Amino acid sequence: DAGVIQSPRHEVTEMGQEVTLRCKPISGHNSLFWYRQTMMRGLELLIYFNNNVPIDDSGMPEDRFSAKMPNASFSTLKIQPSEPRDSAVYFCASSLGTNQETQYFGPGTRLLVL
Amino acid sequence: GIQVEQSPPDLILQEGANSTLRCNFSDSVNNLQWFHQNPWGQLINLFYIPSGTKQNGRLSATTVATERYSLLYISSSQTTDSGVYFCAVERNQGGKLIFGQGTELSVKP
Repeated sequence: DAGVIQSPRHEVTEMGQEVTLRCKPISGHNSLFWYRQTMMRGLELLIYFNNNVPIDDSGMPEDRFSAKMPNASFSTLKIQPSEPRDSAVYFCASSLGTNQETQYFGPGTRLLVL
Repeated sequence: GIQVEQSPPDLILQEGANSTLRCNFSDSVNNLQWFHQNPWGQLINLFYIPSGTKQNGRLSATTVATERYSLLYISSSQTTDSGVYFCAVERNQGGKLIFGQGTELSVKP
């Protein structure tokens, strides 16, 4: 299996622009997670899905952030409008289930908002 | 919420040395994972270990759930072991991992 796939790997944009990050989980995995990593806050969970349904979005910083999972093999994380403080590495992870399961991380998308 | 503390925050080793990294957590957990983030930023699973001991080559991990800590042992360290080691736990929250701040390891040749 190719593992969790994320695109783009790097994104540079200007403040106010819309940013869309994409993720393809490992085939057969039922849970998908979006994390953000910054120097100040470390790694933190933004939102996760189980069977394509959002379960917990309490980590989403504000209304500018939204995430969707239209099918079992694809998810997006959208920031509109983007701000410089959104600059971070965004990771997608997947697991077979939500409880007591190993999570496998994608390579991340490094986002820089100017 | 649950707190995760890792120690030491930084560690410098000479190649071939052994080391022990510690993860303390403030409440009972049903999921604990150790990750290695390599210098390219990739997060790599090392162990899924909510309790007990596991070994994989030069790495081993032990979690004592009743005392709320986990240890990661690295033996005969190599320069490729450099990077940041994270402990992450989950407590009945459907997979919501809480990460520690990490231990940054540098192995010198």
